[in-house]
Amino acid sequence: GAGVSQSPRYKVTKRGQDVALRCDPISGHVSLYWYRQALGQGPEFLTYFNYEAQQDKSGLPNDRFSAERPEGSISTLTIQRTEQRDSAMYRCASSSQTNTYNEQFFGPGTRLTVL
Amino acid sequence: SQKIEQNSEALNIQEGKTATLTCNYTNYSPAYLQWYRQDPGRGPVFLLLIRENEKEKRKERLKVTFDTTLKQSLFHITASQPADSATYLCALGGFGRRALTFGSGTRLQVQP
Repeated sequence: GAGVSQSPRYKVTKRGQDVALRCDPISGHVSLYWYRQALGQGPEFLTYFNYEAQQDKSGLPNDRFSAERPEGSISTLTIQRTEQRDSAMYRCASSSQTNTYNEQFFGPGTRLTVL
Repeated sequence: SQKIEQNSEALNIQEGKTATLTCNYTNYSPAYLQWYRQDPGRGPVFLLLIRENEKEKRKERLKVTFDTTLKQSLFHITASQPADSATYLCALGGFGRRALTFGSGTRLQVQP
């Protein structure tokens, strides 16, 4: 596709349910990032992958959060036993190389609401 | 802990003037700094990158400065237009670490 896509765009779930958020990066982009963005704030780093390898997961808040990118393309961020505090915009970004300075291309985000 | 500060108050300027946005940081030694634009309901869009050994970068009407002694970056938009109205985010990257640390952004409103 032309850009980073994410699905679903909106997700409403009940507390205690598991959710899976999908990211489809720009074709050929090696690096993929997950961020969480609260209203009025900048994106907060969660985790990132080079190809299928998870290189840094230091931003994941706790062990209810996990991510995978099994074939080095599409990635899934899973939140188990959701809590109300997990409600936020979850954004995915990708970049074309492992070069440190590469710009990141962001997707439209998934708005998660936990009731 | 690392802290990035951007003016939380909106910046209102008249069309044609130069907008200047500030990004200050503490407890950080970034390898580079990036500026992004974010429109309501959309993801951030990359604008400019400046490395820690560079003082200034320009791209069309945009100019970024980076002072590692003051721990500050300034982002200028010259000849501003109403279409420049958006939130502008600065983001810092560290040596050997690809994760970006973002500021909270400054909203710019350009009045016609």
